[in-house]
Amino acid sequence: AQKITQTQPGMFVQEKEAVTLDCTYDTSDQSYGLFWYKQPSSGEMIFLIYQGSYDEQNATEGRYSLNFQKARKSANLVISASQLGDSAMYFCAMRDPGGDFNKFYFGSGTKLNVKP
Amino acid sequence: DVKVTQSSRYLVKRTGEKVFLECVQDMDHENMFWYRQDPGLGLRLIYFSYDVKMKEKGDIPEGYSVSREKKERFSLILESASTNQTSMYLCASSSLGGREVKYEQYFGPGTRLTVT
Repeated sequence: AQKITQTQPGMFVQEKEAVTLDCTYDTSDQSYGLFWYKQPSSGEMIFLIYQGSYDEQNATEGRYSLNFQKARKSANLVISASQLGDSAMYFCAMRDPGGDFNKFYFGSGTKLNVKP
Repeated sequence: DVKVTQSSRYLVKRTGEKVFLECVQDMDHENMFWYRQDPGLGLRLIYFSYDVKMKEKGDIPEGYSVSREKKERFSLILESASTNQTSMYLCASSSLGGREVKYEQYFGPGTRLTVT
C-alpha cells in the first residue's frame, strides 16, 4: 500500500508567486515525522522542512511552510515568492515508527518549473 | 559540514558483472540506507542498516546485497548486474532516534549506473 502519495507529477508557477505541492500519507501510528526534500537537476537531495505529528504549529523555514492537516493526513508544501532556483523535483517523505522505526517512505515526486 | 559520499557519480558496467557501490558518512550515524530512483517511481528502499553488520531488506532487495563492516561505510553489491538495474542509486544516513521521528536523512550525490 502506498504510504506517501504525491498526485502532481509536474507543476508550473510564475516567478514571485506562491505554489502548493500536495502530499498525502497513510499511517496508523500516532507518532510520525513528515519531511520535504528538494532535488535539483544536479541530483543531490536537499532537506527542506520537517513536521512532527504532535506539533501543533505548522512548520516554517524561510520561504517554505508546511500546511499540516492531520485529520486529512495531508502535509502540503507551500513555497512563497517562487524563484527560478526553486525549479527542481520535490519529494515528500514520512518516517514511520510503526513496525520498523528506521524506515522512511517517499512519494513519487513533483517536478516544479518556475517561469520567469 | 555533514557529508555523505559515494564512490562514483557515473558508472557503466556490462551485464553479468559484479558491481560495488560504496557509501561513506562522517556523521557517526547509526542508520544507513540504499535507494534506487527511477522516473515516476520516486525513491525505493533497497536495503538499510541500523548497526555494523546488521541489515534489513527494504522494498526491492532482489538482485542486491549489502555489507556494513564499519559504522561509516555501507556497500551495495549487485552480484550479477542486469539491464533492469540501470538506475540512479542514492545512499543516505540518519541518526537512530529510537521512536523519535524527527531526524532527517542526509543523502549522498548519487551514482548513475548504466548496465549494458
